[in-house]
Amino acid sequence: SAVISQKPSRDICQRGTSLTIQCQVDSQVTMMFWYRQQPGQSLTLIATANQGSEATYESGFVIDKFPISRPNLTFSTLTVSNMSPEDSSIYLCSVSTETQYFGPGTRLLVL
Amino acid sequence: TQLLEQSPQFLSIQEGENLTVYCNSSSVFSSLQWYRQEPGEGPVLLVTVVTGGEVKKLKRLTFQFGDARKDSSLHITAAQPGDTGLYLCAGTYNFNKFYFGSGTKLNVKP
Repeated sequence: SAVISQKPSRDICQRGTSLTIQCQVDSQVTMMFWYRQQPGQSLTLIATANQGSEATYESGFVIDKFPISRPNLTFSTLTVSNMSPEDSSIYLCSVSTETQYFGPGTRLLVL
Repeated sequence: TQLLEQSPQFLSIQEGENLTVYCNSSSVFSSLQWYRQEPGEGPVLLVTVVTGGEVKKLKRLTFQFGDARKDSSLHITAAQPGDTGLYLCAGTYNFNKFYFGSGTKLNVKP
């Protein structure tokens, strides 16, 4: 199993600013993902965070808007850039070792 | 459009009732997983099914993977308020990427 922590757990931000979300895992993992989720709805994959190379983004998500870092096998960050109210959501980090484990999420509200 | 469609989308039942949630796709998956998510937390894995036709039981929860590995069902017997949550299915081809279903919101009233 894997234990995942995220920081911050929640934040309220002003339009036009950026927020960086941190994800820490208690063991080394190869596959690390970032998801977005509206409350009570399904998860949408933003990107796969690759260690040592650029993240792989899903359709509809771009690096300029959601830059991702993956400096090692236990840590990743997701930045939500130039935020607008439409970015208000829950952002979840997960890792996969044939089973997916999720962090508790970061609740973001953009005013 | 979702690769995996779940039904029903919402379910509100009384404690003690039985229910079934369905997860359907036109794609064949290597495995399919079911998660439950409670407010303020990330999804937590309930079960992974790998073999077509496989049935797995977890106390009052019974999971079945379709023979063709395109669909799955989750049956809860004698539901309890503690079963309340968002149920998500997720399919994968190679464990490098997971495709999540549209979700089923279950509310079990005492």
